[in-house]
Amino acid sequence: KAGVTQTPRYLIKTRGQQVTLSCSPISGHRSVSWYQQTPGQGLQFLFEYFSETQRNKGNFPGRFSGRQFSNSRSEMNVSTLELGDSALYLCASSLSWRAPLHFGNGTRLTVT
Amino acid sequence: TQLLEQSPQFLSIQEGENLTVYCNSSSVFSSLQWYRQEPGEGPVLLVTVVTGGEVKKLKRLTFQFGDARKDSSLHITAAQPGDTGLYLCAGVSNNDMRFGAGTRLTVKP
Repeated sequence: KAGVTQTPRYLIKTRGQQVTLSCSPISGHRSVSWYQQTPGQGLQFLFEYFSETQRNKGNFPGRFSGRQFSNSRSEMNVSTLELGDSALYLCASSLSWRAPLHFGNGTRLTVT
Repeated sequence: TQLLEQSPQFLSIQEGENLTVYCNSSSVFSSLQWYRQEPGEGPVLLVTVVTGGEVKKLKRLTFQFGDARKDSSLHITAAQPGDTGLYLCAGVSNNDMRFGAGTRLTVKP
């Protein structure tokens, strides 16, 4: 069974640009969650989608948004990038909310 | 503010030593999950504990859930270099799932 796939692995953007990250969950998993990981803040929950609906949202500004498609694939968008958005963005899929998470290897975003 | 406090934050030991890392909270959780994350990879689930006082063993790793379901510990016996990584705990409640900041373990050969 293929794991969670995130693309791209690395991204370098400049302040003010926008970026879209992609996540393909494990087949059969309908819940997809996104996390931001930084050395100082650890893993911070961004949002969770289930069957194309956002069910839960973390405490991030509106510049961070996401969506889920009918095949459960998910995208995350960050607009008007700031230096502080530099982080590892992790996607995780699961059978249901709060079930054990299966993480992808992340997208490393660097904002210069 | 982290609802889950993990300690120590960093730990560097020699191969063969034993160690314990802790995950503490003032909140009660319905379950608690432990993950290990290696450099360049996403976290991988090690175990889920559900019942207060529960002890689970995974080879040389022993996980315990506190009686009040507010805290947990991970004990590693005879650590190996392959145990090196970031150990994360995640507390699950009815409407939330929060991660601790992690314990970064380095096991030197």
